Amino acid sequence: DTGVSQNPRHKITKRGQNVTFRCDPISEHNRLYWYRQTLGQGPEFLTYFQNEAQLEKSRLLSDRFSAERPKGSFSTLEIQRTEQGDSAMYLCASSVARNTEAFFGQGTRLTVV
Amino acid sequence: KQEVTQIPAALSVPEGENLVLNCSFTDSAIYNLQWFRQDPGKGLTSLLLIQSSQREQTSGRLNASLDKSSGRSTLYIAASQPGDSATYLCAVGNTDKLIFGTGTRLQVFP
Repeated sequence: DTGVSQNPRHKITKRGQNVTFRCDPISEHNRLYWYRQTLGQGPEFLTYFQNEAQLEKSRLLSDRFSAERPKGSFSTLEIQRTEQGDSAMYLCASSVARNTEAFFGQGTRLTVV
Repeated sequence: KQEVTQIPAALSVPEGENLVLNCSFTDSAIYNLQWFRQDPGKGLTSLLLIQSSQREQTSGRLNASLDKSSGRSTLYIAASQPGDSATYLCAVGNTDKLIFGTGTRLQVFP
């Protein structure tokens, strides 16, 4: 097991385009989280899954954002009609259960031009 | 609303020094506290997890303490090395998510 894997590592897109990121958690980790980090700030919570169920969404997650975790395995985060303000590092994390150690992936750096 | 603060924001020390990074939080009703390391442009590496019932955790040259009643945690790094240069983030476990501070950027020079 190589840890949490995120793809792509970098994405440059034009404003108005749609983008999709993928996260593969550590196997047998039931919980999967998405965070967003802007320069000089700590990560901010976006949403999380318990198996395939999306249990909480932050108010940061506008209607243009959607996340899925089919069959409780990998997860995707899609941003529609990207805006320059969406430029950030998108981080995925997984954990075995509630309130246990969270392990993060290397992130996807999104640049909207 | 839980708020997490890290002081100092940046720290530059010579190799070999022992140092302390501070983390404070406003709501003591936490489940745990986790320290992470982040290298530039990279993801987060978990260093230590302290459950709310614990007072400290140790891993190699790292020791983290937790005082829930005062809303404070410290990360102690012994005998610092240039390879320790990175941003250190603390995060409190609040129900089902982590709430992060803005980090301490550490530089250890030879």
